[in-house]
Amino acid sequence: DIQMTQSPSTLSASVGDRVTITCRASQSISGWLAWYQQKPGKAPNLLIYDASSLQSGVPSRFSGSGSGTEFTLTISSLQPDDFATYYCQHYNNYSPSFGQGTKVEIK
Amino acid sequence: EVQLLESGGGLVQPGGSLRLSCAASGFTFSSYAMSWVRQAPGKGLEWVSAISGSGGRTYYADSVKGHFTISRDNSKNTLYQQMNSLRAEDTAIYYCAKPRRGSGSYYDFDYWGQGTLVTVSS
Repeated sequence: DIQMTQSPSTLSASVGDRVTITCRASQSISGWLAWYQQKPGKAPNLLIYDASSLQSGVPSRFSGSGSGTEFTLTISSLQPDDFATYYCQHYNNYSPSFGQGTKVEIK
Repeated sequence: EVQLLESGGGLVQPGGSLRLSCAASGFTFSSYAMSWVRQAPGKGLEWVSAISGSGGRTYYADSVKGHFTISRDNSKNTLYQQMNSLRAEDTAIYYCAKPRRGSGSYYDFDYWGQGTLVTVSS
């Protein structure tokens, strides 16, 4: 099974900061990676698919990059609505898995 | 508008069974694979099971293989998950999820239901 590891687990930041979250796969997943945002009590929301494609309706301050085993999610200017937990997920095969999550907190 | 509405969760004793349902609307249900994803209280996301659009192919996480069964009724636009021999570690919110595309990857989920809570406890 492919393991997904996110870093950091928690991130404290201020409104307006540039934020980067890293996701590493235990083996190459090409570009088959998605990023989700989840707020307390809500279902996850797709932000990025295929490593770098922005899902319709998602603000352009979110971007994704990477391929193979290392990927990043960047929020160019953190907004109050962005304080949430973020998950990466691979879909390289028929047994997808998620990273453990990164909680973005208010500094 | 795409909608996914789960039901069937509740409190069950260890060793018991439950059947979850997910009623889908707003898209051509039979053209999409569907999945169940769960989240234990305060924990991360775990993919559980998937089924092809026709229902002919199913896939399971190792943690549930042999005691969960995913199925679908395309005439009713409904996804199911039969959960047997439930254990405390199966306690979670269970979400049904739809992928972005009707062909290609099963697992880039653009729509999720609101979730249904399953609690396994005596």
